[in-house]
Amino acid sequence: GESVGLHLPTLSVQEGDNSIINCAYSNSASDYFIWYKQESGKGPQFIIDIRSNMDKRQGQRVTVLLNKTVKHLSLQIAATQPGDSAVYFCAENISDDKIIFGKGTRLHILP
Amino acid sequence: GAGVSQSPRYKVAKRGQDVALRCDPISGHVSLFWYQQALGQGPEFLTYFQNEAQLDKSGLPSDRFFAERPEGSVSTLKIQRTQQEDSAVYLCASSLAGPTKQFFGPGTRLTVL
Repeated sequence: GESVGLHLPTLSVQEGDNSIINCAYSNSASDYFIWYKQESGKGPQFIIDIRSNMDKRQGQRVTVLLNKTVKHLSLQIAATQPGDSAVYFCAENISDDKIIFGKGTRLHILP
Repeated sequence: GAGVSQSPRYKVAKRGQDVALRCDPISGHVSLFWYQQALGQGPEFLTYFQNEAQLDKSGLPSDRFFAERPEGSVSTLKIQRTQQEDSAVYLCASSLAGPTKQFFGPGTRLTVL
């Protein structure tokens, strides 16, 4: 069936290093992808999105890469900071009214 | 406030009780979504409103779950005869239109004893 998944459940990164969070998706018809950040006790917060007609999009300290050939999505965070500690979810738009979320990757920042 | 708000933030119910969870979306947002998030999992879609119309309720797990948005603004998710497996965080999100760029509320953590 359709699914959005993540390769690693937990990622530990040294403060100041770059972080790369990966995601695999299986619905080849999805045309829109989103990354969300969720801190403890809060709802998901939109980080960045990308449409399927693009392969890269940059924001402030974040870059999303989309490889449609292998159905892979990644989120790169530059110069990781303690405030980046959170669970990160990728999500894909599978229909006009619905997105589905992956299971999430916890990003842990080492001092 | 400028964001999506939800109340209560925490709810403890005894098995068999009915509960009602409230969502106040961002003013002017046409679309409203409810999600269920189990511990350690991603949010799972429950239902979607466009204004007052419930366009998709395919994610509601049983007929004990009911959602409404009578005036196209505030929404209520009601769960009747709660069961332990209903324990989760219930998230509400709104957007200007459709599922893109949704803004989430803080969620209501429901614990059924």
